[in-house]
Amino acid sequence: AQSVTQLGSHVSVSEGALVLLRCNYSSSVPPYLFWYVQYPNQGLQLLLKYTSAATLVKGINGFEAEFKKSETSFHLTKPSAHMSDAAEYFCAVRIDRGSTLGRLYFGRGTQLTVWP
Amino acid sequence: GAVVSQHPSRVICKSGTSVKIECRSLDFQATTMFWYRQFPKQSLMLMATSNEGSKATYEQGVEKDKFLINHASLTLSTLTVTSAHPEDSSFYICSATGRGNEKLFFGSGTQLSVL
Repeated sequence: AQSVTQLGSHVSVSEGALVLLRCNYSSSVPPYLFWYVQYPNQGLQLLLKYTSAATLVKGINGFEAEFKKSETSFHLTKPSAHMSDAAEYFCAVRIDRGSTLGRLYFGRGTQLTVWP
Repeated sequence: GAVVSQHPSRVICKSGTSVKIECRSLDFQATTMFWYRQFPKQSLMLMATSNEGSKATYEQGVEKDKFLINHASLTLSTLTVTSAHPEDSSFYICSATGRGNEKLFFGSGTQLSVL
């Protein structure tokens, strides 16, 4: 069965610093992996997704993630944090490759705080 | 972009009462909707999948008689928590996808607190 684990429920960085949010997955088949962001009082929005094409995936707002099979990881990074990046971030894996889009297993989320 | 509206955003109720949460797609036809819940400090978990006009498909361990899902139209799905108990207190989120199944849109969630 597919699952993801997000390491660290809270991450704090200074504005301009590197953002690194960790996600490890468990999957018996090549996974489809996603990162979502949730701003206060809004729905989750897709940041980026990996579907077995390029291992380095670029998303919106300057975020990117690298799929590393050997480490079973899909960490999210951004070179320089902005105040507007403060939000909750969720890593997710599709429950099975043949399933519909919303059948996802999410991590518990990581709250990113950006200090001025 | 497409919008999914979820109401209420927060609800407090007494134990034993039923609570209805609505999820509406505002500018597209939601052929499939999904309901999730997140207990404190735990993962966001898929509860059920509903296709318009069909009975919902529940994930293992989710009681279908307790969590009633109705998806009678292409723009509205409801989740009713029947005879709610304190252990049902959780954050509930819906999402929806339209024809072609290319994008998924999320509601902003409902925080349910059962006293």
